[in-house]
Amino acid sequence: ELKVEQNPLFLSMQEGKNYTIYCNYSTTSDRLYWYRQDPGKSLESLFVLLSNGAVKQEGRLMASLDTKARLSTLHITAAVHDLSATYFCAVEIYYGGSQGNLIFGKGTKLSVKP
Amino acid sequence: DAGITQSPRHKVTETGTPVTLRCHQTENHRYMYWYRQDPGHGLRLIHYSYGVKDTDKGEVSDGYSVSRSKTEDFLLTLESATSSQTSVYFCAISEPPSRSNTEAFFGQGTRLTVV
Repeated sequence: ELKVEQNPLFLSMQEGKNYTIYCNYSTTSDRLYWYRQDPGKSLESLFVLLSNGAVKQEGRLMASLDTKARLSTLHITAAVHDLSATYFCAVEIYYGGSQGNLIFGKGTKLSVKP
Repeated sequence: DAGITQSPRHKVTETGTPVTLRCHQTENHRYMYWYRQDPGHGLRLIHYSYGVKDTDKGEVSDGYSVSRSKTEDFLLTLESATSSQTSVYFCAISEPPSRSNTEAFFGQGTRLTVV
């Protein structure tokens, strides 16, 4: 059974600081996704990581994937209040043929304070 | 935005009644998913479909059934609603995992309250 663990689950940061959110998973997979969710809203796709060593950056967020360590990180640089949200990682499990699905972590609730 | 519509968006129902939630897509994606979101649990997969009439159970399928008679519609039925099924339900769509990108796109969610 695939387990996806994010940490921390809650993160309070000051504006201007850097921090990293971790996503560990228990089964081989080389596809990982990061999503953002604002309160009361749907999930918005942030990054798609499709291979070992993949690194993607968008603004103050950078995501990376190490499939050998079964670890993805979401790094926040010089946080601003607008980044306050809940961030989810999701790992794809593939059964063969065209069968598989996405398993999500519990999410990291990020609060950026002035 | 991906063309995904969930209905209803909000519903209050009584314990023991059947409830059906609908997810409609206009993207012709093969995969469709139903997740529930609860505080402290993140998103948990209820059922998913990998084609018309092809469905499988997820992590928390007890008390739920699904049907997919057309590519564009995926229905989630709570056979006899219980208070533990009070939650926010999200539908998602994606291309099959064998493709290069299985990024999932989410609907706006349905807030269901069972009283």
